[in-house]
Amino acid sequence: DGGITQSPKYLFRKEGQNVTLSCEQNLNHDAMYWYRQDPGQGLRLIYYSQIVNDFQKGDIAEGYSVSREKKESFPLTVTSAQKNPTAFYLCASSSRSGADTQYFGPGTRLTVL
Amino acid sequence: QKEVEQNSGPLSVPEGAIASLNCTYSDRGSQSFFWYRQYSGKSPELIMFIYSNGDKEDGRFTAQLNKASQYVSLLIRDSQPSDSATYLCAVRPGANSKLTFGKGITLSVRP
Repeated sequence: DGGITQSPKYLFRKEGQNVTLSCEQNLNHDAMYWYRQDPGQGLRLIYYSQIVNDFQKGDIAEGYSVSREKKESFPLTVTSAQKNPTAFYLCASSSRSGADTQYFGPGTRLTVL
Repeated sequence: QKEVEQNSGPLSVPEGAIASLNCTYSDRGSQSFFWYRQYSGKSPELIMFIYSNGDKEDGRFTAQLNKASQYVSLLIRDSQPSDSATYLCAVRPGANSKLTFGKGITLSVRP
């Protein structure tokens, strides 16, 4: 059963804590992406990776970090430096380096208490 | 700053009508255009993509691209209540460029 999985579905964080969001895909896609969506807003790109062990900042990378140690996995860490982290986080992947269609995981909703 | 603009909503149409969703983009060199549907609380799902000028049809959905005027639209024929969702337009300027998303437009189909 191919697809993109994200966990957890819901995540609650206290101020000052770092949290890590998981994203895994078994589509054999090269490229993976992290987006943030706020109510009434479009998707904003946080980080993306076109190949293992390489990633680039997107439009709103401050306060976030990523790693790409395996082709299948692209975890996102929301650090305490991110001042307004409450949002819906979406992971996506595509089969080539951005040239192909992006498919999305189910998302993680992060709430800061 | 490359921009993708979607006309302000929400848009409400009666069941069975044609819903027309529009999107304009600022980068004249843009090559690929995508429409995603997003139900409340869910992630976006791809409806259609279009690369060439003209119309592309898939069932009740038709994407229309006019590169000279820098707009792409999505027509939904015989609208159903299940089409009620937010529709996101996304544009890719070049072959290996990142997608830029519009803010989306919310469609409501009245039974």
